[in-house]
Amino acid sequence: ETGVTQSPTHLIKTRGQQVTLRCSSQSGHNTVSWYQQALGQGPQFIFQYYREEENGRGNFPPRFSGLQFPNYSSELNVNALELDDSALYLCASSLGLATITDTQYFGPGTRLTVL
Amino acid sequence: GEDVEQSLFLSVREGDSSVINCTYTDSSSTYLYWYKQEPGAGLQLLTYIFSNMDMKQDQRLTVLLNKKDKHLSLRIADTQTGDSAIYFCAENWNNQGGKLIFGQGTELSVKP
Repeated sequence: ETGVTQSPTHLIKTRGQQVTLRCSSQSGHNTVSWYQQALGQGPQFIFQYYREEENGRGNFPPRFSGLQFPNYSSELNVNALELDDSALYLCASSLGLATITDTQYFGPGTRLTVL
Repeated sequence: GEDVEQSLFLSVREGDSSVINCTYTDSSSTYLYWYKQEPGAGLQLLTYIFSNMDMKQDQRLTVLLNKKDKHLSLRIADTQTGDSAIYFCAENWNNQGGKLIFGQGTELSVKP
């Protein structure tokens, strides 16, 4: 139990729709990172937020966007869904910024299926 | 670009040692990590090693790092059925904490 929760657990959408995934970090954790894990693959870094500001982005198009709120919750928004967006989306929270050994605590993920 | 590679499957008998291998490309990575993922669960950090170390031991886990060959391994001694899971190695992206590049994972199956 990492203290990081994600909702919903599962979600089914159709192509072209928009989706919002939510993450609740551990209290006091200022950094949240989002990853996309396709079936049979390792997680791919989407972006990271630190104190409500984006702090680095992976190789994902602008239709992937995020928000982080002062209450340690965050959102991942995906517009114009494509079939390839079907994946497990993981959020991870950590206490500080860019501290390499700062342990990241992962949530259980949201399984998104795009039909 | 950055890439991390692992073998996909490993099957061992309970009580044996398991060795999971990984190669990485970003020689600037300061830390390298091993994560475990059980079905329906998120990733759990098992251990990490600093790039100036050759070996790190943590109870049943031993991490070996060959920086010259960019090769990382995780040895699990006395493997138990509860160790069955997918194991990921990961490196920092441009040495920035929280931005990890993962391998595709090694599925470890432990038979009684």
